[in-house]
Amino acid sequence: GQSLEQPSEVTAVEGAIVQINCTYQTSGFYGLSWYQQHDGGAPTFLSYNALDGLEETGRFSSFLSRSDSYGYLLLQELQMKDSASYFCAVSLDYKLSFGAGTTVTVRA
Amino acid sequence: SAVISQKPSRDICQRGTSLTIQCQVDSQVTMMFWYRQQPGQSLTLIATANQGSEATYESGFVIDKFPISRPNLTFSTLTVSNMSPEDSSIYLCSVMGLAGEYEQYFGPGTRLTVT
Repeated sequence: GQSLEQPSEVTAVEGAIVQINCTYQTSGFYGLSWYQQHDGGAPTFLSYNALDGLEETGRFSSFLSRSDSYGYLLLQELQMKDSASYFCAVSLDYKLSFGAGTTVTVRA
Repeated sequence: SAVISQKPSRDICQRGTSLTIQCQVDSQVTMMFWYRQQPGQSLTLIATANQGSEATYESGFVIDKFPISRPNLTFSTLTVSNMSPEDSSIYLCSVMGLAGEYEQYFGPGTRLTVT
């Protein structure tokens, strides 16, 4: 089976940088994805890492270390609209297994 | 990207009844997925629905409780049968993006409350 751990909550001010860590234990592994979900909304895909290293997409970056079974999502230049839940997920056999999610609250 | 719609968006149902949730995609897709998300919780995969074959259910979910239909490549239904208050949840369908299973597009969800 799959097990993913991420912090439950993070609070930061506008303009700050937030890092959301995700550690995983899986029976197999293709890659680590990140999804954003605003309250009452659908999850939306943010990024994916199949190989070790950093992937940058605008203000958001994601990192993966396969040897450490660890990844993180980096949110830079935080904006109020970034207040949401963020989920890491591992993909295996065409299916996604999600972590419990991290609620990010951005304060003015 | 795919555009996905779900019906109904929300419903309040009495225990013991059943509700069928519809999922419509604006393009043909091979695989569709049904998830459950309890309030403030993560997403849990219920089953994978492939056109022309029986749905594949995850551990803890059975066909008698969550029958799924997949009549064509753009549509699927999930029925929540013999509901109890524990079934109160958000039910979401999703499809894979062209890049692979790691990129999924989700419908807006159906918020179900069982009284």
